[in-house]
Amino acid sequence: DAGVIQSPRHEVTEMGQEVTLRCKPISGHDYLFWYRQTMMRGLELLIYFNNNVPIDDSGMPEDRFSAKMPNASFSTLKIQPSEPRDSAVYFCASSPRDSYSGNTIYFGEGSWLTVV
Amino acid sequence: RKEVEQDPGPFNVPEGATVAFNCTYSNSASQSFFWYRQDCRKEPKLLMSVYSSGNEDGRFTAQLNRASQYISLLIRDSKLSDSATYLCVVNDPTGGGNKLTFGTGTQLKVEL
Repeated sequence: DAGVIQSPRHEVTEMGQEVTLRCKPISGHDYLFWYRQTMMRGLELLIYFNNNVPIDDSGMPEDRFSAKMPNASFSTLKIQPSEPRDSAVYFCASSPRDSYSGNTIYFGEGSWLTVV
Repeated sequence: RKEVEQDPGPFNVPEGATVAFNCTYSNSASQSFFWYRQDCRKEPKLLMSVYSSGNEDGRFTAQLNRASQYISLLIRDSKLSDSATYLCVVNDPTGGGNKLTFGTGTQLKVEL
């Protein structure tokens, strides 16, 4: 089975440009999570969706960040305008319906973003 | 205080050694606890869940102390392939409990 698929895997962009990260969750999973990982702060939850509906976006750092999930098989995380401090690895993860337990969360390989 | 705290390491140990990692969490209402493993430049992957009674999976033993809000991971007979970052993970009971809070990880280097 295909796992969580993210694109692009790597992106280098200039400050001020728009960045769009994409994620395809595992088919049948009801929950989708966007995490950001940096050396200083570790893994931080940005937002998560249940059945395509955003449930908690309290981790989204500021208005420059937005996330959408137009259907069960696709989500985007957008940064506009991007800043150097946004440089990080962005992970998408998904989990099935009864995901009170973390052993059902599956991460994608991550999108490595560098803003110069 | 951070929600989940871990010693960042690195822990440098010889092959065959026993090594223990500790983690503390701040939210006493948390119900689910895990250890994840993350290899360099890779995504985190579940290593094992942590149960109140303690649990073992081969060379790995996890313990939970709810009273002290403390979680541990013991690795026996460590292998070179155990070299990785180990993330302590705790669920956030708000918002339906589907939020997981990750520690910043403890780096393990197993050497010949």
